[in-house]
Amino acid sequence: KAGVTQTPRYLIKTRGQQVTLSCSPISGHRSVSWYQQTPGQGLQFLFEYFSETQRNKGNFPGRFSGRQFSNSRSEMNVSTLELGDSALYLCASRALAGRNEQFFGPGTRLTVL
Amino acid sequence: DQQVKQNSPSLSVQEGRISILNCDYTNSMFDYFLWYKKYPAEGPTFLISISSIKDKNEDGRFTVFLNKSAKHLSLHIVPSQPGDSAVYFCAASRSGAQKLVFGQGTRLTINP
Repeated sequence: KAGVTQTPRYLIKTRGQQVTLSCSPISGHRSVSWYQQTPGQGLQFLFEYFSETQRNKGNFPGRFSGRQFSNSRSEMNVSTLELGDSALYLCASRALAGRNEQFFGPGTRLTVL
Repeated sequence: DQQVKQNSPSLSVQEGRISILNCDYTNSMFDYFLWYKKYPAEGPTFLISISSIKDKNEDGRFTVFLNKSAKHLSLHIVPSQPGDSAVYFCAASRSGAQKLVFGQGTRLTINP
């Protein structure tokens, strides 16, 4: 089975711009979660989607949003970028049944200048 | 408020010996715990997990121990190999919640 894929792998934006990141989960996985990793805050949960519905949201401002499509692919969007949004954005997918192991993609490295 | 803590930022172990990575948590509602390994510029790789109904889980060279009363878990790697050099994260979750709460990570270096 192919793993979680994320595109693009690297992105450079300037302050005030917006960005959209994409994630394709493992085939058959219907739950997709997004995390942000920064040196100062570590790995932090952004939100989780299942069946095109956001089920859980972390403590991030409304500039961070996401969605999920009927094929379980997910996108996250960050509007009005700030310097502090520079981070590695990770997507993880999970099979519904069974345990809560989440499988991560390689991440998108976002740099805001 | 950091609910999951890994108090050792780094650990150095000789090849072939045992590596022990520690993790503490404060939220008694957590009932599922996971360990991930991460190389630079890659996403975390799932290693092993444990439910709160158990106190030990083994998978090959990896064993996770859970002490609920102390709110402490540890990952043992035996024997340690050079390819084990990476950053290890412990994570916790609650039943029915997909959100994982991560520790800050421990950088493990295996010396030949």
